[in-house]
Amino acid sequence: SYVLTQPPSVSVAPGKTARITCGGNNIGSKSVHWYQQKPGQAPVLVVYDDSDRPSGIPERFSGSNSGNTATLTISRVEAGDEADYYCQVWDSSSDHPKVFGGGTKLTVL
Amino acid sequence: QLQLQESGPGLVKPSETLSLTCTVSGGSISSSSYYWGWIRQPPGKGLEWIGSIYYSGSTYYNPSLKSRVTISVDTSKNQFSLKLSSVTAADTAVYYCARHKTTVVTPINYWGQGTLVTVSS
Repeated sequence: SYVLTQPPSVSVAPGKTARITCGGNNIGSKSVHWYQQKPGQAPVLVVYDDSDRPSGIPERFSGSNSGNTATLTISRVEAGDEADYYCQVWDSSSDHPKVFGGGTKLTVL
Repeated sequence: QLQLQESGPGLVKPSETLSLTCTVSGGSISSSSYYWGWIRQPPGKGLEWIGSIYYSGSTYYNPSLKSRVTISVDTSKNQFSLKLSSVTAADTAVYYCARHKTTVVTPINYWGQGTLVTVSS
């Protein structure tokens, strides 16, 4: 089955830029989606189809995808952005098509 | 505004069947545009997709759970359900019901609040 690899943790100071990566074999050929999950809450979709934002998600959240790495970028990080972030793809060639990464804990210093 | 609400027992004994229902409000489960799904999250761990269903009954399941999972839909009640048989402690998790953006290949853009199911004797 297809495997998505995320760093367990990323730390960033307020006002700086956070980059969370999601690695997978030729992930650039797939559509990558990103979810934010705060403690005790359900996940929220923050970026879909590599770089699109759902309505209501700040422009500070952006995404890119190329080669073997997709990246979620959060600009001008705020304390409220502290959360777990998960990438996800649908791999139609796999016997396990709906795949989530292991998640990255974003800590705002 | 679309809302999803999980319901069902919070405690299930090992080897028994876990049963959960998701009630949808603010929209029709019979809409021809959407797939509906179940995702779970063991305490302190990541997300795991269980499976998804279309209002017609067409289903997709996680192969690692497929032999134990049944997802069904009841359009008259605007509900869909999850059954997971022969549960063990490893099935202890928060279970979320959810709606895909459109088809099953699209991301999930609506989630229920989640319900914790503990497997223990």
